Amino acid sequence: ETGVTQTPRHLVMGMTNKKSLKCEQHLGHNAMYWYKQSAKKPLELMFVYNFKEQTENNSVPSRFSPECPNSSHLFLHLHTLQPEDSALYLCASSLGQGVMVRERRDTQYFGPGTRLTVL
Amino acid sequence: EDKVVQSPLSLVVHEGDTVTLNCSYEVTNFRSLLWYKQEKKAPTFLFMLTSSGIEKKSGRLSSILDKKELFSILNITATQTGDSAVYLCAVGRYGGSQGNLIFGKGTKLSVKP
Repeated sequence: ETGVTQTPRHLVMGMTNKKSLKCEQHLGHNAMYWYKQSAKKPLELMFVYNFKEQTENNSVPSRFSPECPNSSHLFLHLHTLQPEDSALYLCASSLGQGVMVRERRDTQYFGPGTRLTVL
Repeated sequence: EDKVVQSPLSLVVHEGDTVTLNCSYEVTNFRSLLWYKQEKKAPTFLFMLTSSGIEKKSGRLSSILDKKELFSILNITATQTGDSAVYLCAVGRYGGSQGNLIFGKGTKLSVKP
């Protein structure tokens, strides 16, 4: 069971394609995240949104473009990717900065991920 | 540089065994430590620890934090094949931006029948 859904679950694309990943959370959270998970590496935070505002961009290349139209939806637009961008892309959500007990904001709930392969 | 180190990186046990997974950290302004279980795709939340010496328990899983020695352990007793997964440790910090958890590489646990 998960309160965070992601589509598609698998995606194969060429380097010249444009595609988008979608994430939706049903937990009433106000913060959403994109992570990249590559083999034998720790989870890498890419972007953070709080109440629809981007608060973190972890030096991510511009070929990745996030969009957060509301607190429940998050997109990751992909264009002219490289083969080394092949990875599992995970979306997560949590309580946002409006929560006074800061530790409560740390618990993030993850979606099932999109397995991306760039040819 | 802040870091989270998990050990061992992989572990193979038999059903019924008890295992201990380790997570040590060097993080400025520590706020919380979290454990996740990742089976196929989505990491699922297990525990969040903020205080030293207070054990958190859920069924056969338990975890404790030592803020003086900067580590946490995750214990699994009477392991079952369904416990096979990658276990992730992450640390949250004060002063970092919202949601900036630092993850370890994970421990891959394989439980053989």
